[in-house]
Amino acid sequence: AQKVTQAQTEISVVEKEDVTLDCVYETRDTTYYLFWYKQPPSGELVFLIRRNSFDEQNEISGRYSWNFQKSTSSFNFTITASQVVDSAVYFCALSEARGGATNKLIFGTGTLLAVQP
Amino acid sequence: EAGVAQSPRYKIIEKRQSVAFWCNPISGHATLYWYQQILGQGPKLLIQFQNNGVVDDSQLPKDRFSAERLKGVDSTLKIQPAKLEDSAVYLCASSLRGGSSYNEQFFGPGTRLTVL
Repeated sequence: AQKVTQAQTEISVVEKEDVTLDCVYETRDTTYYLFWYKQPPSGELVFLIRRNSFDEQNEISGRYSWNFQKSTSSFNFTITASQVVDSAVYFCALSEARGGATNKLIFGTGTLLAVQP
Repeated sequence: EAGVAQSPRYKIIEKRQSVAFWCNPISGHATLYWYQQILGQGPKLLIQFQNNGVVDDSQLPKDRFSAERLKGVDSTLKIQPAKLEDSAVYLCASSLRGGSSYNEQFFGPGTRLTVL
């Protein structure tokens, strides 16, 4: 069965601290995609990154970086030098590439990040 | 480029009443999704359209929920009659095409439904 687990419900940090959001997934497929979305208080989900199961290279985008490890089924997200604007709920999601038309996203329960000034 | 539009943003109804939500996807996007996000949970797919055909409605409570996408553009999601447990944010998303999990889904701001 497909499942995404985000064990951290809430994290609170002080501005400029680094913070890592954990994501563990379960799937029986060999081909799949992993995503991170940000949901600010306005409610709109904002796409951050997509990774396919064959690409284990870590990725860095500005203050954001992602660590994908198939051996531990994890896709963790790190924010370096956090800022107040980073405060939001962050969702990790999984989508399986089964060749059919459906490509629904399976979301974790989210991690609420609060960055204090 | 305009994003995914949804209306209304907020709706409060009594249980057993009916309600409808509207979504206008990004121009040119063939695939449209409706997700339900209950407070404290991640979004859950209710229904996926490819143009005006249904691709996946396996998690749609069909006894009370219905959705349509006439002409393959706008979509309407209806609940009739509403129950207390339907209180949630209803998110609409669109992607360029379905059939590939690679395609990024773009989300609208959502409609927050409160059932009293």
